[in-house]
Amino acid sequence: GAGVSQSPSNKVTEKGKDVELRCDPISGHTALYWYRQRLGQGLEFLIYFQGNSAPDKSGLPSDRFSAERTGESVSTLTIQRTQQEDSAVYLCASSPAGYADTQYFGPGTRLTVL
Amino acid sequence: QQQVKQSPQSLIVQKGGISIINCAYENTAFDYFPWYQQFPGKGPALLIAIRPDVSEKKEGRFTISFNKSAKQFSLHIMDSQPGDSATYFCAAGEGTSYGKLTFGQGTILTVHP
Repeated sequence: GAGVSQSPSNKVTEKGKDVELRCDPISGHTALYWYRQRLGQGLEFLIYFQGNSAPDKSGLPSDRFSAERTGESVSTLTIQRTQQEDSAVYLCASSPAGYADTQYFGPGTRLTVL
Repeated sequence: QQQVKQSPQSLIVQKGGISIINCAYENTAFDYFPWYQQFPGKGPALLIAIRPDVSEKKEGRFTISFNKSAKQFSLHIMDSQPGDSATYFCAAGEGTSYGKLTFGQGTILTVHP
């Protein structure tokens, strides 16, 4: 059984460029979450998708951040006009229907903005 | 009001000792309190979780103690092992939106052999 996968594992970009981070949740999991983890810090909630409901975007730090999810499958987190403070590990998690509290995390994408 | 404060930032314990990590919260709407374990280069993994209807939950060497009146909860690792060396995060969630967890800052645990 495959777990949550994320790609790329590492991304180095220049300030001002756009980046796309991908998350493949566990098959059949209806809920998907994105978190940001800055160096030495806890996880910061970004966005939450649950089935066909409108996503909870309350954690997105600015309008440069957006995320999409196709049905109950892959999700893409896009950061436009990246800034150095966007450097962090971006973690994706998924959970099965009715068990939103049991989140399975992927290994993360380490983003470095030069 | 959404913060979860975790202490200590780092902890060094001898093999066989007890590791204790504490968390405090302010939002009384929180009703789900998980602990996550994270190894370097990996995503966090759910370790153990508690809801406020009980004051303690034990799973193997791991125990959560919960004090609702004090709005505090803690993780105890009994007979700590070098393999327990990792970063531990407490978190809190609210009934209608468990998906939106609020995490503590993390504790780096080192267990010396």
